[in-house]
Amino acid sequence: GEDVEQSLFLSVREGDSSVINCTYTDSSSTYLYWYKQEPGAGLQLLTYIFSNMDMKQDQRLTVLLNKKDKHLSLRIADTQTGDSAIYFCAETFTDKLIFGTGTRLQVFP
Amino acid sequence: DSGVTQTPKHLITATGQRVTLRCSPRSGDLSVYWYQQSLDQGLQFLIQYYNGEERAKGNILERFSAQQFPDLHSELNLSSLELGDSALYFCASSPGRGNQPQHFGDGTRLSIL
Repeated sequence: GEDVEQSLFLSVREGDSSVINCTYTDSSSTYLYWYKQEPGAGLQLLTYIFSNMDMKQDQRLTVLLNKKDKHLSLRIADTQTGDSAIYFCAETFTDKLIFGTGTRLQVFP
Repeated sequence: DSGVTQTPKHLITATGQRVTLRCSPRSGDLSVYWYQQSLDQGLQFLIQYYNGEERAKGNILERFSAQQFPDLHSELNLSSLELGDSALYFCASSPGRGNQPQHFGDGTRLSIL
């Protein structure tokens, strides 16, 4: 069945780049997404990539998609303390979203 | 602000009770989705409505039901509540039938005592 996997934790120093990785199973997903959840808050759609793209850049965010390996990554440049949150990767499967477990990003000074 | 509104933000109730969660989608969006976020199950899709009709069903218990009204707002009804139903319930919306970016509300935190 459909499955999305992410590592659970990532710790980076302020100013460094963060790279959060994700693998998914459904090769027919049209879109792949990154959502951000801050403590006590809802899910914020950060960015998404269409499946026929390899890369998408949006300010400090870069999404890379390797369809052959079913691997998605999110790079955050110049990571700030305000980026501390849980980041969820999600794929579409028959219109619903299948989420990974989330990666908790901790940014330290 | 995603444009998706969920009420109430918090609900505290007891086992065996029934509650209703409400969601107003973004202006112009016809699809509404409900998800449950719990510590043990993570984020799970429950159900989708499109323009008033049920379109897809996920891991939704028989004790739970939902509907979408003519004005496109949706309600999720949870009955015979159990301790394990304590979770964060999210609503999301998208413009069309599906396979489009979904925007989420801030969620309703349900606590069963």
